[in-house]
Amino acid sequence: GQQLNQSPQSMFIQEGEDVSMNCTSSSIFNTWLWYKQDPGEGPVLLIALYKAGELTSNGRLTAQFGITRKDSFLNISASIPSDVGIYFCAPLEGGNQFYFGTGTSLTVIP
Amino acid sequence: DSGVTQTPKHLITATGQRVTLRCSPRSGDLSVYWYQQSLDQGLQFLIQYYNGEERAKGNILERFSAQQFPDLHSELNLSSLELGDSALYFCASSARGGRSEQFFGPGTRLTVL
Repeated sequence: GQQLNQSPQSMFIQEGEDVSMNCTSSSIFNTWLWYKQDPGEGPVLLIALYKAGELTSNGRLTAQFGITRKDSFLNISASIPSDVGIYFCAPLEGGNQFYFGTGTSLTVIP
Repeated sequence: DSGVTQTPKHLITATGQRVTLRCSPRSGDLSVYWYQQSLDQGLQFLIQYYNGEERAKGNILERFSAQQFPDLHSELNLSSLELGDSALYFCASSARGGRSEQFFGPGTRLTVL
């Protein structure tokens, strides 16, 4: 079956630091999505990537679609306390999204 | 606010019981997805419906079933509940397949005692 590995599993950083996380899969995908889940809430889409090699930004967030189409990366610059939450990658298969990465739990220390 | 509503927000029940979780998708969305998120676990895909028909199945137990009604709202039925079924259950909707993103509801927290 599909294997999605997301790392790191958790991060504890100081406010103002940059954050990097990644997701790798055993299969090739045509679309990668990144979601953030605040405590007690449902996930919210942050960034969508549709082409291999694509680099997309959304404010302090930057995501890249790996050239092999088996991986994706998310960077957060100058972290702030409200960045706290769990970040999930989610590739689309056949246009449908069924899989989520294992999640990266981010804690920002003021 | 994603536009997806889920009821109830919290549910506490006993082992062996049956419960029904309800989801109303965003206006115009045809696809509904159900996910289970256990403590310290990621999101596990359970099942997808598209315009009233089952479209895809994930790791859904035989004790669980779902349906999507003509008005596009969906219900997830969980029966013979076990302690391990305690989790957050999320519903998400999307316009259709293809490149459409999913919008998640606030979830139903199920506690089985």
